[in-house]
Amino acid sequence: DIQMTQSPSTLSASVGDRVTITCRASQSISSWLAWYQQKPGKAPKLLIYEASTLESGVPSRFSGSGSGTEFTLTISRLQPDDFATYYCQQYSSYSSFGQGTKLEIK
Amino acid sequence: QVQLVQSGAEVKKPGASVRVSCKASGYTFTSFYIHWVRQAPGQGLEWMGVTDPSGGTTNHAVKFLDRLTMTRDTSTNTVYMDLSGLTSEDTAMYYCARDKIGDGLYWFFDLWGRGSLVTVSS
Repeated sequence: DIQMTQSPSTLSASVGDRVTITCRASQSISSWLAWYQQKPGKAPKLLIYEASTLESGVPSRFSGSGSGTEFTLTISRLQPDDFATYYCQQYSSYSSFGQGTKLEIK
Repeated sequence: QVQLVQSGAEVKKPGASVRVSCKASGYTFTSFYIHWVRQAPGQGLEWMGVTDPSGGTTNHAVKFLDRLTMTRDTSTNTVYMDLSGLTSEDTAMYYCARDKIGDGLYWFFDLWGRGSLVTVSS
């Protein structure tokens, strides 16, 4: 099984900040990685797939990068609606998710 | 309206089985694989398995291999997830989610149901 590890587990930031979340895979997954945003009581929402392709309708302040074993999700200028939990997902071999990163208001 | 509508909350005793349904509407049911993902209270996401609504073939995460059955009914555009041998560790929100790109298995999900809460308690 491919293990996905996100860091940090919790991130405190302010509106307008630039933030980066890292996701590491236990083995190479090429670019087979997606990012999701989840708010309390809601289903996850797809943000990015194939490591860097922005899902339709997702604001351009979200971006993804990386390949192999290390990936990042960057939010360029935090908006109030962005405070949520973020998950990475590998789909190189079946599927598995990182443990999540909770983005909190500082 | 493109959506996945899931069945309601269930309370089960340890050792029992549960069935969760996921009814698709607003798109061609047989063109998009459906996955099941669960989330224990306060925990992260866990992929369980996937089914092809067209042919009915399935794939499971290894840990669910003996307990998870996924089926579909093309006459009602509904996918079912049956989980047997329930323990307290199966208490979770169960989501169905649609593979984003049709006519193939791409493994990332653009449409989700609202979730079905399954509680296992004696």
